[in-house]
Amino acid sequence: GIQVEQSPPDLILQEGANSTLRCNFSDSVNNLQWFHQNPWGQLINLFYIPSGTKQNGRLSATTVATERYSLLYISSSQTTDSGVYFCAVRPPRAAGNKLTFGGGTRVLVKP
Amino acid sequence: DTAVSQTPKYLVTQMGNDKSIKCEQNLGHDTMYWYKQDSKKFLKIMFSYNNKELIINETVPNRFSPKSPDKAHLNLHINSLELGDSAVYFCASSPPAGVRSPLHFGNGTRLTVT
Repeated sequence: GIQVEQSPPDLILQEGANSTLRCNFSDSVNNLQWFHQNPWGQLINLFYIPSGTKQNGRLSATTVATERYSLLYISSSQTTDSGVYFCAVRPPRAAGNKLTFGGGTRVLVKP
Repeated sequence: DTAVSQTPKYLVTQMGNDKSIKCEQNLGHDTMYWYKQDSKKFLKIMFSYNNKELIINETVPNRFSPKSPDKAHLNLHINSLELGDSAVYFCASSPPAGVRSPLHFGNGTRLTVT
């Protein structure tokens, strides 16, 4: 099946810093989503971005489907950005629409 | 207004018991899923149903039995609970395969088996 690797596995930021999270995948995809799992365990949809660039406030994401990677940018980080960020993908041939998740990037933003 | 809702939020039980987790979505989606998140935060699909029909069963033990009474509901029943079943279980829904649209997740059920 498709492999999804996220880097770095852990990230410690000072409040106000910028950062980039990366997601590499091993096959073509027709669905790519970024999620934030907050400290309460909720999975928050950040972006649905199988290709191109999107921005939402201080967050933006870019997927280069032909090169099989996606980037999530966090600008002016805040303590509320802490949590685990997941990338999840679905190849066109995936049975039943299932998403395969990467291992996540654990982010801690210090005040 | 919750799009995908699951109950209960927390479930603490003893080994050997049988328990159920319920999930409902009001998005009009045809496809629903159960995902399991282990202690290392890794998320893996367990089951997928499309319009009440099972389409994915990812080598989950027979003690886990999903039930879909209609396309808006997908419940998870677990028999003879074991310590290793402790995890967070997430329900999700989406439009049918082939439609480019995101999955929507519920808030999770934290199951603790003692």
